[in-house]
Amino acid sequence: AQSVSQHNHHVILSEAASLELGCNYSYGGTVNLFWYVQYPGQHLQLLLKYFSGDPLVKGIKGFEAEFIKSKFSFNLRKPSVQWSDTAEYFCATFDSWGKLQFGAGTQVVVTP
Amino acid sequence: DGGITQSPKYLFRKEGQNVTLSCEQNLNHDAMYWYRQDPGQGLRLIYYSQIVNDFQKGDIAEGYSVSREKKESFPLTVTSAQKNPTAFYLCASSVQGAFEKLFFGSGTQLSVL
Repeated sequence: AQSVSQHNHHVILSEAASLELGCNYSYGGTVNLFWYVQYPGQHLQLLLKYFSGDPLVKGIKGFEAEFIKSKFSFNLRKPSVQWSDTAEYFCATFDSWGKLQFGAGTQVVVTP
Repeated sequence: DGGITQSPKYLFRKEGQNVTLSCEQNLNHDAMYWYRQDPGQGLRLIYYSQIVNDFQKGDIAEGYSVSREKKESFPLTVTSAQKNPTAFYLCASSVQGAFEKLFFGSGTQLSVL
């Protein structure tokens, strides 16, 4: 993919609610898609990645993402969020020049 | 332990001053990257280097300069030409072509006095 875009910049939800964050990619050759999370005051961490194969990808901390080629989407989901999921989430891809391109990020706030 | 070290954690710049942010890695990675993080804009690529003594401009290179004289070091200089330098700067490294093995530093917050 050449680039990714995230349309939700801020999401506020209650504990136990389901979460879905949108990520759309522009097609540009080899598909490689990532979701990163940045907890307050911490490093960026890789949640999950997709290169090929099963379009439903399982990641850490109960997150999953589904690659839908027809929709150019790679949305991140979690069935039931916890307060500790409060963080900023970034979709990313390497473009054909080897540059890692990030989306604008989605700030997620989970309220008790 | 292997990893990426960025220093300093906080940096203040006066008007018209150049400042240099340090990024060192002991992971033996070929590729290194500098990103700028601004609220609501995600991470934008400033410069990247895929091999020693070579680097390329990213999307927002104006007002910045880099060098890659050693494999383990990729310092970023924020010059006086960068009119809006206040941001969080992240350094990253990877084995070239191994997209899943990307490591990030802890970042440097740069502010203008």
